[in-house]
Order: sequence, then C-alpha cells, then structure tokens
Amino acid sequence: DGGITQSPKYLFRKEGQNVTLSCEQNLNHDAMYWYRQDPGQGLRLIYYSQIVNDFQKGDIAEGYSVSREKKESFPLTVTSAQKNPTAFYLCASRGTSGYTGELFFGEGSRLTVL
Amino acid sequence: AQSVTQLGSHVSVSEGALVLLRCNYSSSVPPYLFWYVQYPNQGLQLLLKYTTGATLVKGINGFEAEFKKSETSFHLTKPSAHMSDAAEYFCAVSDQAQTGANNLFFGTGTRLTVIP
Repeated sequence: DGGITQSPKYLFRKEGQNVTLSCEQNLNHDAMYWYRQDPGQGLRLIYYSQIVNDFQKGDIAEGYSVSREKKESFPLTVTSAQKNPTAFYLCASRGTSGYTGELFFGEGSRLTVL
Repeated sequence: AQSVTQLGSHVSVSEGALVLLRCNYSSSVPPYLFWYVQYPNQGLQLLLKYTTGATLVKGINGFEAEFKKSETSFHLTKPSAHMSDAAEYFCAVSDQAQTGANNLFFGTGTRLTVIP
C-alpha cells in the first residue's frame, strides 16, 4: 500500500547529540514537509521541499537540517543547536494537485531528550 | 495571509450527542479548507475537505462540515458521537499566498472527549 513511513517511532537522545529522523514515501509525491507538534500549539512547519535537491526553511527551522537527495526520502536531523527538541515530529507529503490537494502524514516520531 | 482559529481546545460530549467543533478562517482568497483527525501517538488522517462546489461536505466516520463564506467558518459536526470519536481534531486552510510552500496552515486543535 502507498504511504509514508517514519522511523523510529520513539527515540531518546542525550543532550548535545544529533539525531536523524527518517521519512520515506511511495506516493510519488513531489512535495514533502516536516512538522513539529507540541501540546496546545498545533503543527509548526520546520522545513519543506517541493522538488529533489531543493528545500526551504519553514517557521521554526533553527536547530534542524534536512536533505532531499531522492524523491522518496526527506530525512530530518535534529542538531544539538535545537534548544528544546523534545516533541512529536510529523512528516507529510503532497501531490501535484496544487492548493486543493491534501497532505498525507506519516505515523510520527516522538523524540525525548534525557 | 491565511490563518485558522479553532474555538475551544477541549470539547466534551456524551455518547450519542451532537458533536460540534468550531473553525474560523482568515483568507484573502477563496479558501480551500480541511479537517484532520489525530489519534494518540499517530499521524493526522484527512476527514474531509472543501475546495469548490457544494458547501456541505461529507467525510469519513459520519462527519460533515459546512463552508459558510459570510461567517468565514467551517465547523465540523456529527449527529451522534461514538466512543471511537475521541481524538484531536485539526482544521486547516491551504496556503494560496505566493510563498511557494504549497503548505497548509493548521489551527491549534480541539481535543474531543466522549463520555459514556
């Protein structure tokens, strides 16, 4: 079945360590997104990519990095520069149907900093 | 610029009662509107969307929403709540500004509790 796979589901990190969250999609979507979710704050956009080898900062990009070397993959690295990384991270993709198209989401990755 | 306001971060209803979750939007262009549901520790799933045409939109699990341009609203309703409806619900508006992000703007969510 087509969909978005995020891994790992749960991740624990010590302060000062970088971690990378995986996001893979087999929907043949061009656009991919990373969101951060905190209680009571909804979803906030970290980075997005409209096409391979290109990506743009979202509203809260500081302390994060991404790459888009393949259409199917959009990994997110949470660096040690991110001051409060404990959160639920959601990856999404969107097809080329413009503004009417919905986002498809992965199951999320919960990162906890110890 | 687009934005979404969801009134009430928590809503409680009895099983079998009407569910009403409120969403108001701000948009300088005709909006494309979405409702998503999220169960604990899971991703978001599309319930329904409005793009053009009929203003009453039916979605999955018996939910529907009505686009009211004069009120800039897109409230989500279900006639009879089930225990399985307990979840968090997000309203979103499509980004039609010239930002190139092709993004959705989300509200802060409403947590629905269903009381047996």
